Amino acid sequence: GAGVSQSPSNKVTEKGKDVELRCDPISGHTALYWYRQSLGQGLEFLIYFQGNSAPDKSGLPSDRFSAERTGGSVSTLTIQRTQQEDSAVYLCASSLERRVGIYTQYFGPGTRLTVL
Amino acid sequence: AQSVTQPDIHITVSEGASLELRCNYSYGATPYLFWYVQSPGQGLQLLLKYFSGDTLVQGIKGFEAEFKRSQSSFNLRKPSVHWSDAAEYFCAVGQMDSSYKLIFGSGTRLLVRP
Repeated sequence: GAGVSQSPSNKVTEKGKDVELRCDPISGHTALYWYRQSLGQGLEFLIYFQGNSAPDKSGLPSDRFSAERTGGSVSTLTIQRTQQEDSAVYLCASSLERRVGIYTQYFGPGTRLTVL
Repeated sequence: AQSVTQPDIHITVSEGASLELRCNYSYGATPYLFWYVQSPGQGLQLLLKYFSGDTLVQGIKGFEAEFKRSQSSFNLRKPSVHWSDAAEYFCAVGQMDSSYKLIFGSGTRLLVRP
């Protein structure tokens, strides 16, 4: 079946602009994660959504970062007033709900963000 | 806090040779452990995972990993490397809270000599 999809695959923006990154999880997966992969920091967790529960935002690096998940499916990660240090690959992952006893995160191909 | 260490930044092996990538974790209880592979320009693909039970787990592409509690290790092995195995490999541990987010190691880049 279809995997996790992300768009755009590449995004180049100017410093100070806002960007939106989109993630379509695997159908039926209720848990959704955003991670960031950068040269200096490696792979780091950003935010987690599980069903209708309040998201775990503990990994967001600043208040310029926000994310939402509409209808329990598609998620959008928004970065306001982008800075050069925001340049990274943003990865989305989804998994079945934890209480089902299956916990494996499946990753999308990522969005490469370049801030000039 | 949970952490994962991959001590080798780069490893080069000849095609056909055996491979072992090291991973050490820091966690008090039985961890959920994963190995992912990332080819250039690609996302992460799950190779294998350990939740409980048999400490030797088999994965895709001929990979296996062994969980050793006494050494806090979860090393990845393959008996005979193929050129297509050249990629970056990440070990990860599942955070045992309500999110089950993954804590990743810094990765090991595998180069394969013809």
